[in-house]
Amino acid sequence: SQQGEEDPQALSIQEGENATMNCSYKTSINNLQWYRQNSGRGLVHLILIRSNEREKHSGRLRVTLDTSKKSSSLLITASRAADTASYFCAIETSGSRLTFGEGTQLTVNP
Amino acid sequence: GAVVSQHPSRVICKSGTSVKIECRSLDFQATTMFWYRQFPKQSLMLMATSNEGSKATYEQGVEKDKFLINHASLTLSTLTVTSAHPEDSSFYICSARPGQSRTGELFFGEGSRLTVL
Repeated sequence: SQQGEEDPQALSIQEGENATMNCSYKTSINNLQWYRQNSGRGLVHLILIRSNEREKHSGRLRVTLDTSKKSSSLLITASRAADTASYFCAIETSGSRLTFGEGTQLTVNP
Repeated sequence: GAVVSQHPSRVICKSGTSVKIECRSLDFQATTMFWYRQFPKQSLMLMATSNEGSKATYEQGVEKDKFLINHASLTLSTLTVTSAHPEDSSFYICSARPGQSRTGELFFGEGSRLTVL
C-alpha cells in the first residue's frame, strides 16, 4: 500500500513538551503534507515538504523528509493544550492524488 | 487561505432516502474537487475525484450509482448518497485546490456527518 503509516497512533504529553510523530510510506512521492484535524471538523493544512527537500520549518513545526527511508517526521515544539488534535500525513503521488495515513491522536495535558 | 464551505454539517435521514451534500469553494475556482469518507478514529478514504464539466473518477470499490457526484460549476460539487442505509453513516469531507493546480495543499470543508436511521 502506498498509504502513509503513522506512529504512534496516540501520544499524550504535558504542555511545554515536544511532540514527535512519524510517517512512513512505500511509493515514490511528489511531496508529503501534514494536516491537523480537530474532532469532528475538517482538515487544516500545516506544512508541505517536497521530495527534494529534507527539512522545513513553520513556527513551532519542524518537518523532516528522508526519501531513502521513505519516512517523515513532524515535530511540534513547546506544545500547548490547543495543539490537541489528530495529525495526518498525506503523500502526493503522480496524478495529484493525496493519500492519507492513519493519523496520530495527540493529547496535550495542561 | 482559500475557503471551502460544506453543507449540511449534520444530517439525519431515514433508510432508503437520498441525501445531497454540497461543497463550495467560496473565494476561488476549483476545476477539481475531492470527496473523502472518514469513519470514527480512522483515516480519510478518497471516494472520488470530481471534475468540473465531466464525469467523476471513482476509486476502486466505490459505487458510482450509490454516490452520485455532480460538478456543474467551478465553485460547486455535490455528493448525493442515494437510497441511504445505516452502513452509509459516516463523516464525508470535500476538498479542493485553487484553479487548475494539480499539486500542493488541499483546502478542506468542515465535513458533513451523515446518520442513517
